[in-house]
Amino acid sequence: GAGVSQSPSNKVTEKGKDVELRCDPISGHTALYWYRQSLGQGLEFLIYFQGNSAPDKSGLPSDRFSAERTGGSVSTLTIQRTQQEDSAVYLCASSLMFSVETQYFGPGTRLLVL
Amino acid sequence: GIQVEQSPPDLILQEGANSTLRCNFSDSVNNLQWFHQNPWGQLINLFYIPSGTKQNGRLSATTVATERYSLLYISSSQTTDSGVYFCAVERAGGGADGLTFGKGTHLIIQP
Repeated sequence: GAGVSQSPSNKVTEKGKDVELRCDPISGHTALYWYRQSLGQGLEFLIYFQGNSAPDKSGLPSDRFSAERTGGSVSTLTIQRTQQEDSAVYLCASSLMFSVETQYFGPGTRLLVL
Repeated sequence: GIQVEQSPPDLILQEGANSTLRCNFSDSVNNLQWFHQNPWGQLINLFYIPSGTKQNGRLSATTVATERYSLLYISSSQTTDSGVYFCAVERAGGGADGLTFGKGTHLIIQP
């Protein structure tokens, strides 16, 4: 079946603009995760959803970041008032259930903030 | 949080050689995965292996959970094996920690 898909694949924006990143998980997967990969920080976990609920948002880098998931499927990660340090690859993953399950990653969205 | 250390950080081998990549972690885990990140940045699942041994073609992996390490073996390396190999773990009882990644091993296979 289809894997995890993300859009857009690339995004260039100006400092101060808002951006929205989208993730479509594998059909039937109830858990969805967002990660960020940057040169300085490596791969870091941001947030996860079990169904539509995100129990812990403490991994988000700042209050400019927010995420939601609707219908237990598609998720969006929104970054408000982007800064240059937000430039990174944003990766989405999904698994059948939360924890103790294989996480499958999407191709990522490459975000460049000028 | 849990610490993940991978070694070696860089490895250059000739085609046909065998290699062993190591992942040490600092706490009990209920999830351990090995990934290969290809030149386009895609993370490709290799193994889900919180304990035990698995094999898939030229690749195999072993996790000794009691001693908190995992090994990835690549035999008869091919140039297409080049890329970065990541180990990622989830701490047992960690709640909403997600996967913690090591810094990776950058593998270059020369023809």
